[in-house]
Amino acid sequence: DADVTQTPRNRITKTGKRIMLECSQTKGHDRMYWYRQDPGLGLRLIYYSFDVKDINKGEISDGYSVSRQAQAKFSLSLESAIPNQTALYFCATSDSDRGVAYNEQFFGPGTRLTVL
Amino acid sequence: DAKTTQPTSMDCAEGRAANLPCNHSTISGNEYVYWYRQIHSQGPQYIIHGLKNNETNEMASLIITEDRKSSTLILPHATLRDTAVYYCIVRVSSNTGKLIFGQGTTLQVKP
Repeated sequence: DADVTQTPRNRITKTGKRIMLECSQTKGHDRMYWYRQDPGLGLRLIYYSFDVKDINKGEISDGYSVSRQAQAKFSLSLESAIPNQTALYFCATSDSDRGVAYNEQFFGPGTRLTVL
Repeated sequence: DAKTTQPTSMDCAEGRAANLPCNHSTISGNEYVYWYRQIHSQGPQYIIHGLKNNETNEMASLIITEDRKSSTLILPHATLRDTAVYYCIVRVSSNTGKLIFGQGTTLQVKP
């Protein structure tokens, strides 16, 4: 979905390096999420944010941090990358105004990260 | 959130209906059933959701059993572009917004 963009799309880095993945959205949604996907597995939630001042840990937050710089931007950082963080990373957004039952999340194209 | 069980993989002939089952026997009264799909390494795409009534939209139909312990996603006329991993997710209707993805069902639509 072009309304949710992620940069970079591909990144190769070395163990111990600091990496930032960025997500921007033009949908005007208040909620944003970061997921990771390992080969053959479903997505796992890393962090999520319901507003600029709201940050919440997901299932697998260890080794990651996030920043919600503005309503439209949500970045994910790996402070010291390690090989088992090699994965496909997705950002997603949703709109709380749709009601609590309606949880359509719009996903970005993904960032493929390789840590050597 | 309740656990879901889906078959690992399924095949379907192009033009035929694809029926994807999901078991959620521990579902509670305030949990919704959501379906997403992921086409080869792209971001997942929302398909449909429901609580207890059957639902239909332009993409699919969702049939939920009366006891709500299982559901079926129906793609009425599957095309090759419907080949994807389909995820059944059960979650509480609350303000958390979190989705817990399992391993899903890989649907292969064949010509």
